[in-house]
Amino acid sequence: QSVLTQPPSASGTPGQRVTISCSGRNSNIGRKTVNWYQQLPGTAPKLLIYTNDQRPSGVPDRFAGSKSGTSASLAISGLQSEDEADYFCAAWDDSLNGFLFGTGTKVTVL
Amino acid sequence: EVQLVESGGGLVQPGGSLRLSCAASEFTFRKYAMSWVRQAPGEGLEWVSGISGSGNNIYYADSVQGRFTISRDNSKNTLYLQMNSLRAEDTAVYYCVKEGPRDAFDIWGQGTMVTVSS
Repeated sequence: QSVLTQPPSASGTPGQRVTISCSGRNSNIGRKTVNWYQQLPGTAPKLLIYTNDQRPSGVPDRFAGSKSGTSASLAISGLQSEDEADYFCAAWDDSLNGFLFGTGTKVTVL
Repeated sequence: EVQLVESGGGLVQPGGSLRLSCAASEFTFRKYAMSWVRQAPGEGLEWVSGISGSGNNIYYADSVQGRFTISRDNSKNTLYLQMNSLRAEDTAVYYCVKEGPRDAFDIWGQGTMVTVSS
């Protein structure tokens, strides 16, 4: 497995909570920290969560990351229209000696 | 403002070569590892290659090993990606990224498009 597995899509109405999973293995998520990136339509990705659960300055606390074993999750609370974007998890892989990205999840605000 | 600006993308024939550059500004370039990440049209993100701040440690994805070469010139605050033996599947937007805390890509360039086609 040379990617981290994410659901292709997730959706919710404004104000709802959406959760995105990221599944890996011992060589990546199991041993390393997970980062999350948000890519708004037509723009470059942006760091959203680092070191599993830390938010860079400027990222709203509606976004929360967590990790357990070989899986990680991103939760978006109080969903807003501007959260409509693609979300990618990422981690270093000790077996591949390189970074792996998740397959990506498109979040739609209904 | 911390900034990364890529250049050098374009249209190239299969088997051809291209050299991407990334100019960094407003941070101490030599202190940070850097990477190239690409995104094929309509697809997800793929890490391509990374280099330590000193340039002594270099890593490649299997998909480009032996064809691409990453390098940096810390005196010019510039990152490079030499791409040889290009294939159609190398067609993508190539992003230059700065590695921040705990392997996080905290700064991204705007990207440069590489199209491999006859």
